[in-house]
Amino acid sequence: QVQLAQSGVEVKKPGASVKVSCRTSGYTFTSYGITWVRQAPGQGLEWMGWISASGGNTNYAENFQGRVTMTTDTSTSRAYMELRSLRSDDTAMYYCARAPRYCTSGLCYTDNWGQGTLVTVSS
Amino acid sequence: EIVMTQSPATLSVSPGQRATLSCRASQSVGSNLAWYQQKPGQAPRLVIYGVSTRATGIPARFSGSGSGTEFALTISSLQSEDFAVYYCQQYNKWVTFGGGTKVEIK
Repeated sequence: QVQLAQSGVEVKKPGASVKVSCRTSGYTFTSYGITWVRQAPGQGLEWMGWISASGGNTNYAENFQGRVTMTTDTSTSRAYMELRSLRSDDTAMYYCARAPRYCTSGLCYTDNWGQGTLVTVSS
Repeated sequence: EIVMTQSPATLSVSPGQRATLSCRASQSVGSNLAWYQQKPGQAPRLVIYGVSTRATGIPARFSGSGSGTEFALTISSLQSEDFAVYYCQQYNKWVTFGGGTKVEIK
């Protein structure tokens, strides 16, 4: 079955960077893009962006432009999300999720989600 | 940015009763509308996409409707496992989510 397994809890200081990984299995990685969504404690969902499986195309939300980089490694079926210049309001659960096969721009729903990675930013 | 507004914020329903959740978009999103269910401590789960298509494994008691700017998710007969927070999402112009509706036991 389709599975997305994310890396573990991260604690970072303000100004630092974090890189979250998303290991996929149960499907052909190169046929589906990956979306990243975050959720601050007790809050709603915020779309961060999308990357094609090949890594050749990305689409980042305006709020994260210049601060986020999404990459993929097709040899290991993994996706990565790096967020730089962390602030306290970046404290959140970060999710990777699979986009449907037809999705070529990131403007789509997501059909399978990882378990989430908690990133805490605190001095 | 398209703003998605969900109502009510909290819906108290007895098991076996019908629940209708609303979602309004600040401009038309066509049929690019999805619903997700999230239980405490869990990742969201896709329920409906394309306004009315149930995702894999979603029971028939869940149905979606609407068009343009007004949408609804209906759960025909609430089961214990349906009590959760539900989010609508538009993916017509960028991607944005509503603030969520919590469905709780009455």
